[in-house]
Amino acid sequence: EVLLVESGGALVQPGGSLRLSCAASGFTFSSYWMQWVRQTPGKGLVWVSRISTDGSSTSYADSVKGRFTISRDNARDTVYLEMNSLTVEDTAVYYCGRAGYYRIDYWGQGSLVTVSS
Amino acid sequence: QSALTQPASVSGSPGQSIVISCTGTSSDVGGYEYVSWYQQYPGKAPKLIIYGVINRPSGVPNRFSGSKSGNTASLAISGLLPDDEADYYCSSYTSSATYVFGTGTTVTVL
Repeated sequence: EVLLVESGGALVQPGGSLRLSCAASGFTFSSYWMQWVRQTPGKGLVWVSRISTDGSSTSYADSVKGRFTISRDNARDTVYLEMNSLTVEDTAVYYCGRAGYYRIDYWGQGSLVTVSS
Repeated sequence: QSALTQPASVSGSPGQSIVISCTGTSSDVGGYEYVSWYQQYPGKAPKLIIYGVINRPSGVPNRFSGSKSGNTASLAISGLLPDDEADYYCSSYTSSATYVFGTGTTVTVL
């Protein structure tokens, strides 16, 4: 069974930093691209970032480019999202997803990040 | 990257059919056969129901179907069931090697 479990969500002050983790199991992690998507409570889904199987290729939404960094550790079956210079607009539930061929075929349960003073 | 445009809400009676549209540009929906649709219940993670415009993952009922014409993709749900009451989002690959989601549509079963 494919399982994705996010962790690391917390309450953080504006300008602060946070690292989210997503632990994968039930599939060969190193064979799949991975993605992060966020959702402000009560609002829609917003694509954030993706990373290739070996980590050599990454891309980001304009809203997080330069502030967020996606990475992965294939030995630990884990993908990360390092978030810096956080603003209140970054408050959201962050989902990690396994990227099938141009789609997200499995999603984690989400991790809540709240940016507030 | 602007969000793809979806109607805010669509409703129908049990057994009826509904269609949700998803309008983008030639740089996303119109340029690629990489449109996906996701179903999301309140407080839950999204679930993939359509990929590659027209394909259904294993286990998704054939009451759900996808199509595309020009810059607009569509999700049709036939034989509407109470369990279909949820939020639906489209998504497309873009010419910037990123992805974009739609604004989301709430389906209400009357």
